[in-house]
Amino acid sequence: GAGVSQTPSNKVTEKGKYVELRCDPISGHTALYWYRQSLGQGPEFLIYFQGTGAADDSGLPNDRFFAVRPEGSVSTLKIQRTERGDSAVYLCASSLLAGQEQFFGPGTRLTVL
Amino acid sequence: AQSVTQLGSHVSVSEGALVLLRCNYSSSVPPYLFWYVQYPNQGLQLLLKYTTGATLVKGINGFEAEFKKSETSFHLTKPSAHMSDAAEYFCAVSESGGADGLTFGKGTHLIIQP
Repeated sequence: GAGVSQTPSNKVTEKGKYVELRCDPISGHTALYWYRQSLGQGPEFLIYFQGTGAADDSGLPNDRFFAVRPEGSVSTLKIQRTERGDSAVYLCASSLLAGQEQFFGPGTRLTVL
Repeated sequence: AQSVTQLGSHVSVSEGALVLLRCNYSSSVPPYLFWYVQYPNQGLQLLLKYTTGATLVKGINGFEAEFKKSETSFHLTKPSAHMSDAAEYFCAVSESGGADGLTFGKGTHLIIQP
């Protein structure tokens, strides 16, 4: 079956612009996670959804970052007033239930010029 | 707070040699521990995980890891390296059974010499 998909695969934007990154989880998976992976680092947790609600958003670095999952499936990570330091690969993962194996997507590489 | 330290950002072994990738963790509660592999241009893939019970955990592709509470370690091993094992390996910890976000180490790039 289809895995986790993320679009776009690459996004180049200018400092100060707004971007949206999309994640399509595996069908039927109730838990969805966002991570950020900077060059030479491991993935860093951002936010976790159980269904439609954000169960833990403690990893969001500041209020420029926001994520939604309105119907409990697709999720969008939104970044306002992008900064060069936001450049990273943004990873999405989903699991059937919280606590079960997380399946990762290929990521979206965001470059802020 | 939980954390993970992976010793060695790059490890190089000869094909057929033992692979040993080191991981030490810090956790205030009994941890759940994971090893993930990332091949070039692919998503992270779970190799193995420790939850409770047997401390020696076997995973895919011949890898295994041993949870040693006294050493706060979860090192990854494979008896005989194959060229296809070349990849980035990440150790991760969770204090909630993996129900919340994982805390990852910085990763170890495994290089296989022919």
